This record gives sequence, structure tokens and C-alpha cells, in this order.
Amino acid sequence: EVQLVETGGGLVQPGGSLRLSCAASGFNVINNYMSWVRQAPGKGLEWVSVIYSGGTTYYAASVKGRVTISRDISKNTVYLQMDNLRAEDTAVYYCVRDPVLDGGVYIEAHWGQGTLVNVSS
Amino acid sequence: SYVLTQPPSVSVAPGQTARIACGGNNIGSRSVHWHQQKPGQAPVLVIYFDKKWPSGIPERFSGSNSGNTATLTISRVEAGDEADYYCQVWDSSSDHWVFGGGTKLTVL
Repeated sequence: EVQLVETGGGLVQPGGSLRLSCAASGFNVINNYMSWVRQAPGKGLEWVSVIYSGGTTYYAASVKGRVTISRDISKNTVYLQMDNLRAEDTAVYYCVRDPVLDGGVYIEAHWGQGTLVNVSS
Repeated sequence: SYVLTQPPSVSVAPGQTARIACGGNNIGSRSVHWHQQKPGQAPVLVIYFDKKWPSGIPERFSGSNSGNTATLTISRVEAGDEADYYCQVWDSSSDHWVFGGGTKLTVL
């Protein structure tokens, strides 16, 4: 069974840093596209970042330069390092196994339960 | 950047058919994925690659995609289908995932 468990959220002051973790089970993150998606209170879904199976990374303009996505193959875990946090970064952050077509195989999307990041003084 | 447009809300009576549109420039040339989010819960994939069913999703959910509009259709709507629904595509020009603004489905 595919499972994604996010940890690392919490209350942080503006300008502070947090590292979110996403522990995956039931599949290997190295063979999949993995994203972080966030949802501000009462708002819609906003894509944040992706890491390809080959290791290439991309970022939304709203976080580029402040956020780094990475992974640890030995721990089958994806991370999101967030620096210089702003009030507008307050949101629930979800880890997502992306829906892709890989070598003729359709990969379903799976979402974690999310972790809340609250940027406030 | 690529933009996806969804109606803010759709209402339907139980047992009827709900259709939720997702508009985008030539969206028919892209693969569309649909996610359901119930209050206080994480999103769940309900349709991917335009019309494929993820495991565990009933066939009352179906998808289509042509021209400038993709559509999620929910047949024989139940009270438990009440949720926000989001469409999603990959924008290869920017290497970004793009989400629609979401549609709140209300079951009357």
C-alpha cells in the first residue's frame, strides 16, 4: 500500500526556516516524480516544487530561491527545505506522488495527509 | 503561464449528473487529472490521464477532454460526493504543475 507521511511543520517566525519531510512507503521515491503542493487557509491548491526521478528539480516562482527540494534514497524520503519564510507561506503542505506515464505504465497520484506551516510573529 | 479556469460552484440534486468543467487553451492536447477534496481532508485522485480510474474510485466518476475544455462527470450523485474538485495539468513550457481554482460541488 502506498503511503506518504509528512512531518516537520509548525509555527515559525517570519524570516525563519523549516525542513519538511515526506516518508514514503509502498514504492521507491527514486523511480517517481514527487511534488510538494500547498494550500493556504480557505484557498485552493498551489504547486510548490517537483523532483524528477532523474533528480531534476523545478520550483514555483513564488518560492524560487527560498525553497529546496531533495530526497534521501536510503530513507525513501523527500524533503522541502524552506528558508526566509513569509506570512504568505502559511499553508498546509502536501507531499504528492505525481501522476505520470512511465515506460508505458500509468502511475496514479497519491497524497499525504499534509503538515501545517504557520509563519507568524 | 498556463491557466486553468473552473466554475466556483456547481449544485446538483441526489441521483442526478454533475458536470464540472476545466477550461484551458487547447487543453485537449494535454493530460488532465482530477482531485477530490472533502472538508478537513487531503485531496484524493479521482480521474487521471483524462479518463482513467484510480484504484478504488467508482465508475460513476468519468472524465473527458477535448478542445479547450476538460470535464469531470459524476453520475448518480450521492451526498458523499460533496467536495471541492480540482483539475491539474503539466505545463511543459514552464515545467510546472498547474491547478485550476477548484469547484465546490453541493448536493442539494
